[in-house]
Amino acid sequence: NAGVTQTPKFQVLKTGQSMTLQCAQDMNHEYMSWYRQDPGMGLRLIHYSVGAGITDQGEVPNGYNVSRSTTEDFPLRLLSAAPSQTSVYFCASSPDRNSPLHFGNGTRLTVT
Amino acid sequence: TQLLEQSPQFLSIQEGENLTVYCNSSSVFSSLQWYRQEPGEGPVLLVTVVTGGEVKKLKRLTFQFGDARKDSSLHITAAQPGDTGLYLCAGEGFNKFYFGSGTKLNVKP
Repeated sequence: NAGVTQTPKFQVLKTGQSMTLQCAQDMNHEYMSWYRQDPGMGLRLIHYSVGAGITDQGEVPNGYNVSRSTTEDFPLRLLSAAPSQTSVYFCASSPDRNSPLHFGNGTRLTVT
Repeated sequence: TQLLEQSPQFLSIQEGENLTVYCNSSSVFSSLQWYRQEPGEGPVLLVTVVTGGEVKKLKRLTFQFGDARKDSSLHITAAQPGDTGLYLCAGEGFNKFYFGSGTKLNVKP
């Protein structure tokens, strides 16, 4: 059971570069979400999706885009990286919007 | 501003001691979850509480949901070094999960 798989594990970007963080789950979960984790801030919701073709904004969506063309994949795009986006990013999924979350192991992103 | 406030932020105790972690909010949640996170990994679910006043036990861990479903506590009896980690509470409401800032627990042998 792979569960939730995030790639890459580590990434360094220069200010202004763009990139996509990948997230895939093999549990046929409808609900998927992206969080960022910063010291002392816990996990903050960036975007979420309740099913294929449906996405919505979380608490901190600015500077990030998402799409959900399939049930399995939920990529997170950084359009023009900024140092403030240096963080650890977690993707999570659950069978539905009310069920507990299954997390990936995170992507550590540094923007210089 | 965090919707869920956790306290304490840090806790360093000796093996065998008891401890309680608190998770407080001014908002009502449909359910509340507790997760534990180890370095380099994602959070892993410990428990979900749904009913106001509910108490759940998981071996040496006792979880309580407040009567008004706004707060929760996690009590660990006779802590062990294996309990070391970051403990996060999360409230569910309106299709979203809101996380507290976490309590970093270190249990020294």
